[in-house]
Amino acid sequence: EVQLLESGGGLVQPGGSQRLSCAASGFTFSTYAMTWVRRAPGKGLEWVSSISSSGASTYYTDSAKGRFTISRDNSKSTLYLQMNYLRAEDTAVYYCAKDVIPSVGGFNGCLDNWGQGTLVTVSS
Amino acid sequence: DIVMTQSPGTLSVSPGEGVTLSCRASQTVGGNLAWYQQKPDQPPRLLIYGASTRATAVPARFSGSGSGTEFTLTISSLQSEDCAVYFCQHYENWPLTFGGGTRVEIK
Repeated sequence: EVQLLESGGGLVQPGGSQRLSCAASGFTFSTYAMTWVRRAPGKGLEWVSSISSSGASTYYTDSAKGRFTISRDNSKSTLYLQMNYLRAEDTAVYYCAKDVIPSVGGFNGCLDNWGQGTLVTVSS
Repeated sequence: DIVMTQSPGTLSVSPGEGVTLSCRASQTVGGNLAWYQQKPDQPPRLLIYGASTRATAVPARFSGSGSGTEFTLTISSLQSEDCAVYFCQHYENWPLTFGGGTRVEIK
């Protein structure tokens, strides 16, 4: 059974940093691209960032460029999102999700398994 | 960026009735379109990918159709457990974008 377990959320002050982790199990982590998606209170889903199976390729939404860094440790089956210079508008539940098909070096972008999410609240 | 527009914003439907949700892309996404269901305090669940392929364990009352810029999700006979927000998402290129969602309520 595929399991994705996020951690690292919490309350952080504006301008602060937070690192999210997503521990994966039940599939061959190193063969799937992974993605972070968030949902702010009262809003819809927003794609944040994706990383290829090897970690060589990464993509970010414009608001995350220069502030967030996605990475992965395939030896630990863990995905990360380092978030710096946090703003109030980054307040959201952050989900990690896996691509629906394995793709060495590439992406699909359709997300078939999601974690339960971790809440990040940016407030003073 | 491809803008995904969903309509209507909210649907109120009696149990057993059919439901049709719409999703429009601002430019063609081919068949690279997914539908997700999200219930309160739960993560999104993949329902449909490739515009019309049901994901694993998704009931047959859910079906997807369309290609290019116009897509629909149909629930043939609404069940109480189908109350949720439904999102479409394209995966044609970067950035991935989601529609604003359609909330389905039981009348």
